[in-house]
Amino acid sequence: GQQLNQSPQSMFIQEGEDVSMNCTSSSIFNTWLWYKQDPGEGPVLLIALYKAGELTSNGRLTAQFGITRKDSFLNISASIPSDVGIYFCAGQGNYNQGGKLIFGQGTELSVKP
Amino acid sequence: DAMVIQNPRYQVTQFGKPVTLSCSQTLNHNVMYWYQQKSSQAPKLLFHYYDKDFNNEADTPDNFQSRRPNTSFCFLDIRSPGLGDAAMYLCATSRGAGQTLKQFFGPGTRLTVL
Repeated sequence: GQQLNQSPQSMFIQEGEDVSMNCTSSSIFNTWLWYKQDPGEGPVLLIALYKAGELTSNGRLTAQFGITRKDSFLNISASIPSDVGIYFCAGQGNYNQGGKLIFGQGTELSVKP
Repeated sequence: DAMVIQNPRYQVTQFGKPVTLSCSQTLNHNVMYWYQQKSSQAPKLLFHYYDKDFNNEADTPDNFQSRRPNTSFCFLDIRSPGLGDAAMYLCATSRGAGQTLKQFFGPGTRLTVL
């Protein structure tokens, strides 16, 4: 089946630094979603991407749908302490699977004030 | 605000004692999902309802059942919880299941099995 590889697994950065994380797939995806999950809470949708090459921003967050449709990137600029959490990418591939999302393993972000 | 609500947020049950977790939504979405999430792992899909049509994942244990009495509500029943079923259970919804879906998650229910 389709799998997602998300990296890095964890990041420890200083407040104000920029952050970059990515997901790669062994096969083509049609949709990429990026979620953030705070401890003890459900994932919150940050950005949705629908077209190859699409670049979308949400405040300090920017995500891109890779040209090959097999990868996606999330960048966070000028990180702040509330950016701490686990970031998940999720992709939807085969339409016949009825909308099932496939999740990456998550990137845990720690921000030092 | 339209949202996905899960109750309770924390549930403690005893080994083997049936437990029901509930999810409601005000988004009027026709698809509802249940995920299991263990510590430091990605959410794992258990099953979903597309309207009234139930779709079970092949590796979801028979111990897990679900009911969707109407558009707004969906329940997760764990018939005989084992220690390995302790996890965060997440409900999510989406409008349809097409290629441009967005899934919106509730806050989750943390299940402890004693």
